[in-house]
Amino acid sequence: QVQLRESGPGLVKPSQTLSLTCTVSGGSIRSGGHYWSWIRQHPEKGLEWIGFIYYSGSTDYNPSLKSRVTISVDTSQNQFSLKVSSVTAADTAVYYCARGPAPTHYFDYWGQGTLVTVSS
Amino acid sequence: DIVMTQSPDSLAVSLGERATINCKSSQSVLYSSNNKNYLGWYQQKPGQPPKLLIYWASTRESGVPDRFSGSGSGTDFTLTISSLQAEDVAVYYCQQYYSTLPITFGQGTRLEIK
Repeated sequence: QVQLRESGPGLVKPSQTLSLTCTVSGGSIRSGGHYWSWIRQHPEKGLEWIGFIYYSGSTDYNPSLKSRVTISVDTSQNQFSLKVSSVTAADTAVYYCARGPAPTHYFDYWGQGTLVTVSS
Repeated sequence: DIVMTQSPDSLAVSLGERATINCKSSQSVLYSSNNKNYLGWYQQKPGQPPKLLIYWASTRESGVPDRFSGSGSGTDFTLTISSLQAEDVAVYYCQQYYSTLPITFGQGTRLEIK
Protein backbone atom coordinates (compact mmCIF):
# COMPACT_ATOMS: atom_id res chain seq x y z
CA GLN A 1 0.00 0.00 0.00
CA VAL A 2 1.47 3.31 -1.11
CA GLN A 3 1.73 5.94 1.60
CA LEU A 4 2.81 9.58 1.34
CA ARG A 5 3.81 11.74 4.27
CA GLU A 6 4.49 15.47 4.29
CA SER A 7 7.02 16.99 6.65
CA GLY A 8 8.41 20.45 7.30
CA PRO A 9 7.99 23.57 9.43
CA GLY A 10 4.45 24.50 10.37
CA LEU A 11 5.30 28.19 10.74
CA VAL A 12 7.14 30.36 8.23
CA LYS A 13 7.83 34.08 8.44
CA PRO A 14 6.65 36.42 5.68
CA SER A 15 9.15 36.89 2.82
CA GLN A 16 10.94 33.64 3.72
CA THR A 17 10.92 30.33 1.85
CA LEU A 18 8.49 27.54 2.66
CA SER A 19 10.09 24.09 2.38
CA LEU A 20 8.27 20.77 2.56
CA THR A 21 9.24 17.19 1.84
CA CYS A 22 7.03 14.26 0.87
CA THR A 23 8.32 10.79 1.79
CA VAL A 24 6.88 7.92 -0.24
CA SER A 25 6.64 4.38 1.12
CA GLY A 26 5.22 1.24 -0.40
CA GLY A 27 6.31 2.27 -3.87
CA SER A 28 9.38 3.61 -5.64
CA ILE A 29 9.51 7.02 -7.27
CA ARG A 30 12.42 5.73 -9.36
CA SER A 31 10.30 3.03 -11.01
CA GLY A 32 8.48 5.68 -13.02
CA GLY A 33 4.88 5.40 -14.07
CA HIS A 34 3.65 8.19 -11.80
CA TYR A 35 3.69 11.93 -11.45
CA TRP A 36 4.24 13.36 -7.97
CA SER A 37 2.31 16.51 -7.15
CA TRP A 38 1.89 19.20 -4.54
CA ILE A 39 -1.60 20.57 -3.93
CA ARG A 40 -2.71 23.09 -1.32
CA GLN A 41 -5.97 23.99 0.34
CA HIS A 42 -6.48 27.38 1.94
CA PRO A 43 -8.49 27.32 5.21
CA GLU A 44 -12.10 26.41 4.49
CA LYS A 45 -11.42 26.78 0.76
CA GLY A 46 -10.99 24.64 -2.31
CA LEU A 47 -8.02 22.84 -3.82
CA GLU A 48 -5.19 24.46 -5.77
CA TRP A 49 -2.69 22.38 -7.74
CA ILE A 50 0.86 23.71 -7.30
CA GLY A 51 2.91 21.50 -9.60
CA PHE A 52 4.28 18.03 -10.29
CA ILE A 53 7.53 16.23 -10.92
CA TYR A 54 8.42 12.99 -12.69
CA TYR A 55 11.18 10.67 -11.47
CA SER A 56 13.41 12.01 -14.26
CA GLY A 57 13.17 15.50 -12.77
CA SER A 58 10.88 17.00 -15.38
CA THR A 59 8.39 19.40 -13.86
CA ASP A 60 5.29 21.42 -14.57
CA TYR A 61 3.95 24.23 -12.42
CA ASN A 62 0.77 26.21 -11.97
CA PRO A 63 1.43 29.42 -13.94
CA SER A 64 0.03 31.48 -11.06
CA LEU A 65 2.80 30.22 -8.75
CA LYS A 66 5.55 29.32 -11.22
CA SER A 67 7.81 32.28 -10.42
CA ARG A 68 8.01 31.28 -6.73
CA VAL A 69 7.84 27.47 -6.79
CA THR A 70 10.47 24.77 -7.17
CA ILE A 71 9.75 21.04 -6.96
CA SER A 72 12.65 18.60 -6.80
CA VAL A 73 13.05 14.84 -6.40
CA ASP A 74 15.52 12.66 -4.53
CA THR A 75 15.00 9.13 -5.81
CA SER A 76 17.67 7.73 -3.46
CA GLN A 77 15.57 8.83 -0.48
CA ASN A 78 12.24 8.18 -2.26
CA GLN A 79 11.25 11.78 -1.56
CA PHE A 80 10.19 14.85 -3.45
CA SER A 81 10.20 18.39 -2.15
CA LEU A 82 8.50 21.75 -2.51
CA LYS A 83 9.93 25.22 -2.08
CA VAL A 84 7.82 28.37 -2.23
CA SER A 85 9.78 31.60 -2.00
CA SER A 86 8.76 35.06 -0.79
CA VAL A 87 5.75 33.76 1.12
CA THR A 88 2.91 35.93 2.37
CA ALA A 89 -0.16 35.25 4.50
CA ALA A 90 -1.90 34.16 1.29
CA ASP A 91 0.35 31.08 1.27
CA THR A 92 -1.13 29.86 4.57
CA ALA A 93 -2.74 26.53 3.70
CA VAL A 94 -2.77 22.81 4.20
CA TYR A 95 -0.22 21.39 1.79
CA TYR A 96 -0.76 17.91 0.37
CA CYS A 97 1.51 15.71 -1.65
CA ALA A 98 -0.20 13.30 -4.03
CA ARG A 99 0.49 10.68 -6.69
CA GLY A 100 -0.95 10.51 -10.16
CA PRO A 101 -0.62 7.61 -12.62
CA ALA A 102 1.28 8.74 -15.70
CA PRO A 103 0.45 9.92 -18.26
CA THR A 104 -2.71 11.15 -16.54
CA HIS A 105 -3.03 13.68 -13.75
CA TYR A 106 -5.76 12.54 -11.46
CA PHE A 107 -4.61 11.78 -7.92
CA ASP A 108 -5.03 8.28 -6.53
CA TYR A 109 -2.96 8.56 -3.34
CA TRP A 110 -2.65 11.56 -1.04
CA GLY A 111 -0.68 12.40 2.07
CA GLN A 112 -2.55 13.48 5.20
CA GLY A 113 -1.54 17.07 4.63
CA THR A 114 0.41 19.53 6.72
CA LEU A 115 -0.72 23.00 7.79
CA VAL A 116 1.73 25.77 7.04
CA THR A 117 1.04 29.14 8.59
CA VAL A 118 2.78 32.27 7.35
CA SER A 119 3.09 34.72 10.20
CA SER A 120 5.68 36.85 11.93
CA ASP B 1 -7.27 28.09 -17.34
CA ILE B 2 -10.10 25.58 -17.58
CA VAL B 3 -12.61 26.79 -14.98
CA MET B 4 -14.62 24.09 -13.22
CA THR B 5 -17.97 25.19 -11.81
CA GLN B 6 -19.95 22.91 -9.53
CA SER B 7 -23.61 23.13 -8.63
CA PRO B 8 -25.09 23.36 -6.15
CA ASP B 9 -22.65 24.75 -3.59
CA SER B 10 -24.43 22.75 -0.90
CA LEU B 11 -27.00 20.01 -0.89
CA ALA B 12 -29.12 18.31 1.77
CA VAL B 13 -30.55 14.88 0.97
CA SER B 14 -32.46 12.36 3.08
CA LEU B 15 -30.85 9.04 3.94
CA GLY B 16 -31.54 6.49 1.24
CA GLU B 17 -32.37 9.15 -1.34
CA ARG B 18 -30.42 10.07 -4.47
CA ALA B 19 -27.85 12.87 -4.43
CA THR B 20 -26.74 14.56 -7.65
CA ILE B 21 -23.83 16.96 -8.03
CA ASN B 22 -23.06 18.75 -11.27
CA CYS B 23 -19.77 19.97 -12.70
CA LYS B 24 -19.33 22.14 -15.77
CA SER B 25 -16.00 22.90 -17.43
CA SER B 26 -15.32 26.13 -19.32
CA GLN B 27 -14.03 24.10 -22.27
CA SER B 28 -14.32 20.49 -23.33
CA VAL B 29 -12.19 17.98 -21.43
CA LEU B 30 -12.91 15.22 -23.97
CA TYR B 31 -9.73 14.17 -25.77
CA SER B 32 -10.83 13.16 -29.25
CA SER B 33 -7.90 10.85 -29.99
CA ASN B 34 -8.88 8.38 -27.25
CA ASN B 35 -12.50 9.46 -26.60
CA LYS B 36 -11.77 9.89 -22.90
CA ASN B 37 -13.03 12.64 -20.62
CA TYR B 38 -10.22 13.90 -18.41
CA LEU B 39 -12.44 14.41 -15.37
CA GLY B 40 -12.21 13.08 -11.83
CA TRP B 41 -14.35 13.25 -8.69
CA TYR B 42 -13.12 13.33 -5.08
CA GLN B 43 -14.70 13.08 -1.65
CA GLN B 44 -13.23 15.00 1.28
CA LYS B 45 -14.30 14.47 4.86
CA PRO B 46 -13.32 16.89 7.66
CA GLY B 47 -9.67 16.64 8.64
CA GLN B 48 -8.89 14.20 5.82
CA PRO B 49 -7.28 14.50 2.39
CA PRO B 50 -9.47 14.15 -0.69
CA LYS B 51 -10.21 10.60 -1.76
CA LEU B 52 -10.45 9.64 -5.42
CA LEU B 53 -13.90 8.27 -6.29
CA ILE B 54 -14.12 8.44 -10.08
CA TYR B 55 -11.69 9.01 -12.96
CA TRP B 56 -12.19 9.20 -16.73
CA ALA B 57 -15.55 10.73 -15.74
CA SER B 58 -17.18 7.36 -15.09
CA THR B 59 -14.59 4.79 -13.94
CA ARG B 60 -14.99 3.95 -10.28
CA GLU B 61 -11.77 3.70 -8.27
CA SER B 62 -11.11 0.32 -6.68
CA GLY B 63 -12.93 -0.05 -3.36
CA VAL B 64 -15.44 2.74 -3.98
CA PRO B 65 -19.02 1.59 -3.32
CA ASP B 66 -21.13 1.11 -6.42
CA ARG B 67 -23.70 3.62 -5.18
CA PHE B 68 -21.26 6.24 -6.52
CA SER B 69 -21.37 6.78 -10.26
CA GLY B 70 -20.13 9.39 -12.70
CA SER B 71 -21.54 10.43 -16.05
CA GLY B 72 -21.32 13.11 -18.68
CA SER B 73 -19.06 14.13 -21.53
CA GLY B 74 -17.44 17.20 -23.03
CA THR B 75 -18.25 20.03 -20.62
CA ASP B 76 -21.07 18.68 -18.44
CA PHE B 77 -20.64 16.02 -15.79
CA THR B 78 -22.58 14.52 -12.90
CA LEU B 79 -21.69 12.60 -9.76
CA THR B 80 -24.61 10.55 -8.46
CA ILE B 81 -24.95 8.80 -5.13
CA SER B 82 -27.84 6.43 -5.66
CA SER B 83 -28.80 5.89 -2.02
CA LEU B 84 -27.26 8.30 0.46
CA GLN B 85 -25.58 6.81 3.51
CA ALA B 86 -24.57 8.71 6.65
CA GLU B 87 -20.89 8.18 5.87
CA ASP B 88 -21.30 10.04 2.55
CA VAL B 89 -21.50 13.42 4.30
CA ALA B 90 -18.53 15.26 2.85
CA VAL B 91 -17.42 17.90 0.39
CA TYR B 92 -17.17 16.67 -3.20
CA TYR B 93 -14.83 18.11 -5.84
CA CYS B 94 -14.51 17.61 -9.56
CA GLN B 95 -11.12 18.00 -11.24
CA GLN B 96 -10.01 18.30 -14.84
CA TYR B 97 -6.70 16.88 -15.96
CA TYR B 98 -7.13 17.61 -19.67
CA SER B 99 -4.82 20.60 -19.33
CA THR B 100 -1.93 20.98 -16.91
CA LEU B 101 -1.83 24.71 -17.48
CA PRO B 102 -3.02 24.39 -14.79
CA ILE B 103 -4.82 21.31 -13.42
CA THR B 104 -7.99 22.73 -11.84
CA PHE B 105 -10.67 21.74 -9.36
CA GLY B 106 -14.24 22.83 -8.87
CA GLN B 107 -15.07 24.94 -5.83
CA GLY B 108 -16.64 21.99 -4.01
CA THR B 109 -20.16 20.89 -3.08
CA ARG B 110 -21.04 20.27 0.55
CA LEU B 111 -23.37 17.30 1.01
CA GLU B 112 -25.38 16.98 4.21
CA ILE B 113 -28.19 14.85 5.57
CA LYS B 114 -31.67 16.36 5.49
